[in-house]
Amino acid sequence: KAGVTQTPRYLIKTRGQQVTLSCSPISGHRSVSWYQQTPGQGLQFLFEYFSETQRNKGNFPGRFSGRQFSNSRSEMNVSTLELGDSALYLCASSLWDGNEKLFFGSGTQLSVL
Amino acid sequence: GNSVTQMEGPVTLSEEAFLTINCTYTATGYPSLFWYVQYPGEGLQLLLKATKADDKGSNKGFEATYRKETTSFHLEKGSVQVSDSAVYFCALNSGSARQLTFGSGTQLTVLP
Repeated sequence: KAGVTQTPRYLIKTRGQQVTLSCSPISGHRSVSWYQQTPGQGLQFLFEYFSETQRNKGNFPGRFSGRQFSNSRSEMNVSTLELGDSALYLCASSLWDGNEKLFFGSGTQLSVL
Repeated sequence: GNSVTQMEGPVTLSEEAFLTINCTYTATGYPSLFWYVQYPGEGLQLLLKATKADDKGSNKGFEATYRKETTSFHLEKGSVQVSDSAVYFCALNSGSARQLTFGSGTQLTVLP
């Protein structure tokens, strides 16, 4: 069974640009969560999607948004990039059955110059 | 709000040494507690979990016991291997099962 797939693996952008990251969950998983990992702030929850609806949102500005498609694939978008948005963005998928196990992808490393 | 405090790293041990990584938490309600491990260049993998007080999670020789009275979930392993070198994260959820609060991570290096 394929794991969680995140693309691209690396991205370099400049301030003010926008970026879209993609996440394909494990087959059969219907929930996708996104996390930001930085050396200074550690791992922080961004948002969670299930059945194409955002279920929970972390404490991030509106520049961070996401969506989920009918096949459970998810994208997150960051607009008007700032230097502080440089981070590893991790996606995690899970079954929506009360099971609390998250399966993480390898992440997208975003560098903002 | 919820928070997780982990022992500062990095931790360097010799192979076959005993490992303890301390983790304490603050949370409302009755959270589930987790240890995740991150190997270089990879995402996080669930190592073990405990869902209620006095539960012991265990996997691959690692153990942690949910201590409500001390709000702790310390990770232990009796004999570490070089292959255990990684970053270890303590985490909890309270409310949404998929919204985790993580500690800052502890880098473990095991020398042969």
